[in-house]
Amino acid sequence: ETGVTQTPRHLVMGMTNKKSLKCEQHLGHNAMYWYKQSAKKPLELMFVYNFKEQTENNSVPSRFSPECPNSSHLFLHLHTLQPEDSALYLCASSQDHTIAGYGYTFGSGTRLTVV
Amino acid sequence: AQSVTQLGSHVSVSEGALVLLRCNYSSSVPPYLFWYVQYPNQGLQLLLKYTSAATLVKGINGFEAEFKKSETSFHLTKPSAHMSDAAEYFCAVTYNAGNMLTFGGGTRLMVKP
Repeated sequence: ETGVTQTPRHLVMGMTNKKSLKCEQHLGHNAMYWYKQSAKKPLELMFVYNFKEQTENNSVPSRFSPECPNSSHLFLHLHTLQPEDSALYLCASSQDHTIAGYGYTFGSGTRLTVV
Repeated sequence: AQSVTQLGSHVSVSEGALVLLRCNYSSSVPPYLFWYVQYPNQGLQLLLKYTSAATLVKGINGFEAEFKKSETSFHLTKPSAHMSDAAEYFCAVTYNAGNMLTFGGGTRLMVKP
């Protein structure tokens, strides 16, 4: 039990589909993150939310749309994706993005395959 | 800008042998340093972290790491490798300016019987 739950664990979608990834944390944290992990590439930070406000958008294409309705939930809405978007998408949380030293708690990820 | 380098994308050891995974960081200010482990198709799990207290940090599963300021290093060690230690290991750094973790490229540890 990591305290950060991601659903679904696996997702296969066509390039014209619209789907959403969900992340929920039960740790009382105030910051949440989306990362993309592709084979043979470093972890890529996508978005950061701190107290529900987006503080970082790391030049992510608009076909990825994040939503953070409250500090416990984070979504990643997907539409018209490309095959190169296939990857493991990781959600993480931390106590506060403005205070160093806490580290992040990660979920188990959603394995996305775009066909 | 902060950065962290992990030397060796793949490390192979025999079961029972010493594990040494290398991490070097660049910094002009005191860093906070982390080691994470990732098993196949899982998220990253925190192994240990250095936050300016003791320079030798003990973590879970028998791992430890030593912060060496003079060498700007934070290498991860374990005296005796188990088959279950086979995984990918990530070093990460952040500084007082905020909690933005910068990750190294990862080191895949293979353990041979």
